[in-house]
Amino acid sequence: GAVVSQHPSRVICKSGTSVKIECRSLDFQATTMFWYRQFPKQSLMLMATSNEGSKATYEQGVEKDKFLINHASLTLSTLTVTSAHPEDSSFYICSAREYPGLSNSPLHFGNGTRLTVT
Amino acid sequence: DQQVKQNSPSLSVQEGRISILNCDYTNSMFDYFLWYKKYPAEGPTFLISISSIKDKNEDGRFTVFLNKSAKHLSLHIVPSQPGDSAVYFCAAAIQGAQKLVFGQGTRLTINP
Repeated sequence: GAVVSQHPSRVICKSGTSVKIECRSLDFQATTMFWYRQFPKQSLMLMATSNEGSKATYEQGVEKDKFLINHASLTLSTLTVTSAHPEDSSFYICSAREYPGLSNSPLHFGNGTRLTVT
Repeated sequence: DQQVKQNSPSLSVQEGRISILNCDYTNSMFDYFLWYKKYPAEGPTFLISISSIKDKNEDGRFTVFLNKSAKHLSLHIVPSQPGDSAVYFCAAAIQGAQKLVFGQGTRLTINP
């Protein structure tokens, strides 16, 4: 079945540095990918929708200059957390639909990235 | 504003019995609902879905029930197995829209 690969699975960085997270669709093309964030014991919150070849769409309250999204190809989207702070520590998960034209096509998720900012 | 709510953070069930996970929503525009299962350190995996034109969808041991008037859905797992121990998220969407709204999740533990 469709697989979404996310890398790295864990990253620890110091405050003020930037971290890049990659999301790849392995056996399908994804014109749109989604980036979610999950705080402990809370739901997955959509941060932004990554669109291949155009600008990402950010949800209300998400700083686009802090969370840079690049969707350079049909199989790769990257999320860069710039100037990371401890409050950015969270679980980041990307997802994509195998059949983007079908809104009832389930999302396939990557395994997530646990970011810890010290 | 939590549009999708899973009010039970955890549930413990004996192996072989039925597990019932509940989910409530507030937005009457939602017309497509999904359940995802998540193991620690992994991303959620799709389990089962239901469209608002149905009130029940079954796939093997998993059945999802939708009560539109009550804005409530439930996931039934029977018989429950130890491998079912995980966090279960319900999610809702408006068909034609890309965005899923997730509940907080319910941690299901199946006891041998």
